[in-house]
Amino acid sequence: GAGVSQSPSNKVTEKGKDVELRCDPISGHTALYWYRQSLGQGLEFLIYFQGNSAPDKSGLPSDRFSAERTGGSVSTLTIQRTQQEDSAVYLCASSLRGTTKSNQPQHFGDGTRLSIL
Amino acid sequence: ELKVEQNPLFLSMQEGKNYTIYCNYSTTSDRLYWYRQDPGKSLESLFVLLSNGAVKQEGRLMASLDTKARLSTLHITAAVHDLSATYFCAVPPFFYNNAGNMLTFGGGTRLMVKP
Repeated sequence: GAGVSQSPSNKVTEKGKDVELRCDPISGHTALYWYRQSLGQGLEFLIYFQGNSAPDKSGLPSDRFSAERTGGSVSTLTIQRTQQEDSAVYLCASSLRGTTKSNQPQHFGDGTRLSIL
Repeated sequence: ELKVEQNPLFLSMQEGKNYTIYCNYSTTSDRLYWYRQDPGKSLESLFVLLSNGAVKQEGRLMASLDTKARLSTLHITAAVHDLSATYFCAVPPFFYNNAGNMLTFGGGTRLMVKP
């Protein structure tokens, strides 16, 4: 499989619990992005990683959200003390280069559908 | 703040007909992306438009970009049922530093092509 891989594909959890979502980007892609897709808000940017640089966290909606990327490859998005408004599909994307003048499209994974009860 | 608006949000059309989806954005950008999403699936890249006046075609779809008008169009020619999906345009920031390529998406156009 050469695409972006995300796990789990579905996650149901109780309000107040912590969740971890995983993304395995396409091999060789240095840029990695997290977005979320919800009915009310559409598709929103969350966080961006480029190589070993400090991530751009400007899209994270609250301090309950955090993400890390280990070894420049796999990324984990963590949501602490989940709330019902966190219910959404969380999408990960990767591209060859992430800088503004890149002409590369972002390749998206199938997403994790998160439901908070 | 960059805002991206698509219209229409919903489009029902007969097979064989032509139609255009519009994507307007609020601040300067020199690139634009179009994606397709099937129900329950992820986003598939359709077009990358890299400059003013860029036009790209793939099958029955043609996309264009006018950076001065801050407008992109996705034209559908002789629609077929297989084109039924949601189409998103997305715009990256236009910074001069080494900022990221994070995308601001339009609200999507849900296209239904009826036989």
